[in-house]
Amino acid sequence: GIQVEQSPPDLILQEGANSTLRCNFSDSVNNLQWFHQNPWGQLINLFYIPSGTKQNGRLSATTVATERYSLLYISSSQTTDSGVYFCAVGELDSNYQLIWGAGTKLIIKP
Amino acid sequence: KAGVTQTPRYLIKTRGQQVTLSCSPISGHRSVSWYQQTPGQGLQFLFEYFSETQRNKGNFPGRFSGRQFSNSRSEMNVSTLELGDSALYLCASSLEPDPRVRDGYTFGSGTRLTVV
Repeated sequence: GIQVEQSPPDLILQEGANSTLRCNFSDSVNNLQWFHQNPWGQLINLFYIPSGTKQNGRLSATTVATERYSLLYISSSQTTDSGVYFCAVGELDSNYQLIWGAGTKLIIKP
Repeated sequence: KAGVTQTPRYLIKTRGQQVTLSCSPISGHRSVSWYQQTPGQGLQFLFEYFSETQRNKGNFPGRFSGRQFSNSRSEMNVSTLELGDSALYLCASSLEPDPRVRDGYTFGSGTRLTVV
């Protein structure tokens, strides 16, 4: 099955810093999404981005499907950005499930 | 509008018992997916229901089962609980019926199950 690798596994930054999170996947995908899980466990859908670039406020994401990677950019980090960021992909021959990466744990210090 | 509601939030059970978890999706959403989250295995897909039909099942033993009702509410059941079943169980509802182009999942807050 498809493998999803996220890097770095952990990231500690000061408030105001910028960061780039990476997601590599081992095969072609029909779906790719980024999620944020806050320290209380709530998962929030950030982007649906199987290809191309999207922006939403301080967050943006880029997926280069031909090279099998996606990047999530966080600018001017705030303490509320802390949590775990997951990349999840859908395999071309699998209809109904997302395969999740292990996540990047981000801690923003005030 | 109301989000995805999972009940109960916390649960402590003894090995060998069975447990039922509930998920009420956002009004109008007919797809409900269930995931198990553990520190060691991360997020793993359990199953998805759409219009009362299970469309796919992850790689879990038969002790894990689920169903969906006509109002789209879903339940999952775990029988003969094992210590390794301790996890956060998350459900997500979706409006888009085709998961291949599905662009959004709304997750509930989860049920944290502890098996002792």
